[in-house]
Amino acid sequence: SQQGEEDPQALSIQEGENATMNCSYKTSINNLQWYRQNSGRGLVHLILIRSNEREKHSGRLRVTLDTSKKSSSLLITASRAADTASYFCATDEGGSYIPTFGRGTSLIVHP
Amino acid sequence: DTAVSQTPKYLVTQMGNDKSIKCEQNLGHDTMYWYKQDSKKFLKIMFSYNNKELIINETVPNRFSPKSPDKAHLNLHINSLELGDSAVYFCASSQPFQSGNTIYFGEGSWLTVV
Repeated sequence: SQQGEEDPQALSIQEGENATMNCSYKTSINNLQWYRQNSGRGLVHLILIRSNEREKHSGRLRVTLDTSKKSSSLLITASRAADTASYFCATDEGGSYIPTFGRGTSLIVHP
Repeated sequence: DTAVSQTPKYLVTQMGNDKSIKCEQNLGHDTMYWYKQDSKKFLKIMFSYNNKELIINETVPNRFSPKSPDKAHLNLHINSLELGDSAVYFCASSQPFQSGNTIYFGEGSWLTVV
C-alpha cells in the first residue's frame, strides 16, 4: 500500500530554532494527518489537514498542504527540548480509511 | 485513565514459541488495529477490526492471528515466533471507518525473539 514519505529522516536543531519536516505522497488524498512519537511511546495525533485546505495552525504547529506537488510540511516554531520526538505523516491514499504511515522524521532539539 | 492499553510492554522469547499480546480500549470505539513498527521505524498496518469483524488483513503470515472477543478488545496471537518478528507492535483504535479519523495508539509492545 502507498505511504507518505517524510523528509529529512533526521533533523537536529538548537532550542528556539524552527523545525520543518516534509511529507510527500504519490496519489490523491482526502486528508493528511501528522502524528508525534516520543521515544518508547505510542503515536499521538497532532493535526489533520483536508485536501481543500492549504494551511492550518495549532499552537506552535503550522501545517501546509500543496496538492499539486503532493506534499505537506510541518513547521514547529520556537522549538523546545521537549519537542524531541519522531514525527509521522499519514495519508488516506487510494481511498483507504486506514491512514498509511511513513518512517517519520526524527527531530532532536538541543537545549 | 489509559485510553488504549496493551500488555505486555516488553516480551523476550525464544524462536519457535507462541505468544500473545493483549489490547483493550476504553474509548468506546468500534474499530481497532494492530500495527507493526520495524527497526527503521516504518509503521505498517497488520489488521483492522470493525465491531469484532476482520476488515483488513494485510499481507501478514498466518502465524499471526488476531482475536476480538468484544469490540473493546483485540488480542494478537503469534505462533512459531521467528527472529524477523522482533519489532514493536502497536494496538490502536478509532471511530468507525471514515477517512480522517484520529487513530489512538497504545504504548506499544516490544517483542524480541532470540
